[in-house]
Amino acid sequence: QLQLQESGPGLVKPSETLSLTCTVSGGSISSSSYYWGWIRQPPGKGLEWIGSIYYSGSTYYNPSLKSRVTISVDTSKNQFSLKLSSVTAADTAVYYCARGEPRTHWGQGTLVTVSS
Amino acid sequence: DIQMTQSPSTLSASVGDRVTITCRASQSISSWLAWYQQKPGKAPKLLIYKASSLESGVPSRFSGSGSGTEFTLTISSLQPDDFATYYCQQYNSYWGTFGQGTKVEIK
Repeated sequence: QLQLQESGPGLVKPSETLSLTCTVSGGSISSSSYYWGWIRQPPGKGLEWIGSIYYSGSTYYNPSLKSRVTISVDTSKNQFSLKLSSVTAADTAVYYCARGEPRTHWGQGTLVTVSS
Repeated sequence: DIQMTQSPSTLSASVGDRVTITCRASQSISSWLAWYQQKPGKAPKLLIYKASSLESGVPSRFSGSGSGTEFTLTISSLQPDDFATYYCQQYNSYWGTFGQGTKVEIK
């Protein structure tokens, strides 16, 4: 059974870089032709699609975040990662990792707060 | 950018009611539309993909229809477990876009 788990700091200072990792278990991140990606949800608000990485390594980003976002894969660890630079309070959200497009499997989500 | 607009934003209904939620795309997305259900504190759950295909394990009271720019999610007989927020998502372009959500509340 495929499972995804987000990990990373729960508190990030303004102007710094938010870094999260998604660990995949129950399946290989590189053996199937899937998209792996990130979605976020500010407290009390709706979902925002951040970006995806295809198993081949191609990346796709939300144009509104593209200049600040990097998604990468570490197949040796069966993980993929999100980096969001120059964060502000507006980046405070629950961040989810997920597989597929559309998103068939989701992590439980992790709250990241941007505050000094 | 493709914008997705859901209506209504909030819907009050009773158990047993037939419920319909609409999602409109700002340009044609063919049938590349998904519907998710989200409960408080939980990750979204995929209900419908490719506009009308039911995800495995999802009750048959959920159905989706539409193509192009207009889509609907229908719950044929609302059950207590269905009170939640529902989101549509287009995946036609290289990046996805979600609708703003529809909260289904108890009447």
